[in-house]
Amino acid sequence: QKEVEQNSGPLSVPEGAIASLNCTYSDRGSQSFFWYRQYSGKSPELIMSIYSNGDKEDGRFTAQLNKASQYVSLLIRDSQPSDSATYLCAVAVGAQKLVFGQGTRLTINP
Amino acid sequence: GAVVSQHPSWVICKSGTSVKIECRSLDFQATTMFWYRQFPKQSLMLMATSNEGSKATYEQGVEKDKFLINHASLTLSTLTVTSAHPEDSSFYICSATRGVGNTIYFGEGSWLTVV
Repeated sequence: QKEVEQNSGPLSVPEGAIASLNCTYSDRGSQSFFWYRQYSGKSPELIMSIYSNGDKEDGRFTAQLNKASQYVSLLIRDSQPSDSATYLCAVAVGAQKLVFGQGTRLTINP
Repeated sequence: GAVVSQHPSWVICKSGTSVKIECRSLDFQATTMFWYRQFPKQSLMLMATSNEGSKATYEQGVEKDKFLINHASLTLSTLTVTSAHPEDSSFYICSATRGVGNTIYFGEGSWLTVV
C-alpha cells in the first residue's frame, strides 16, 4: 500500500463550481499534512497546511483533516481556470520528510 | 520572491558525463535540504535528505555513488549526477528548511536531459 494515495484524475469541474480533492494516508502517526499545487513544468507551491482535525479555511481554499479515517481533502470554491493544475497531497513522515501522493490533475472548464 | 534558488534551470548533457545542480537558500540558513526527482506525469520521489556538515541520507533504491549530494554550508547543497544516462533525464527539485517544525520551501526545479 502506498503511503499517500490520491485519485490521479483527471478531474473536470466547471468554472465557479466547487472542486473536491481527496487524499488518504497510511501512517496513523502522521501529524502534518500539506496541499501543493503544481503547474506543468514548474515546482510545487504550498497552498495549505493542516495539523488538527477539522476544517481550515484560507480564501477560496478549505482543507479538511480526519485523522481517525486517515483522510485529508482540499475544497476549492468558485473554481477558476487558473486553478487548473496538478494538486499534490503531502504528509510529513518522521521529523521533516515529506511523502507525496501521485497528484490529482484538475481542469476547470470555462 | 523565491527563497530557494536552483541552478541551472535546465541542462542538457551527453551520456556518460556528470552534471551538477545547485540549491541555495537565499535568505535563511537551511539546516536540512531535500532532493526530489519527478518523471513526467508522476509524483515527486524523495531521493535524499541532506543535513549541513554531514553525509546525506538516501532513500531506498537511490544509488549514492551515482547521485552525489554535498551540503557544505547552511545555504548551499549540490546534487551531482555522475555518469549520466538517458534514463536519468528528469525534473530535479530541491527543498530547504530551517529545521523541524519550520516551513519547507521548494526550489524552482532543474530539468536534466541526457542525450
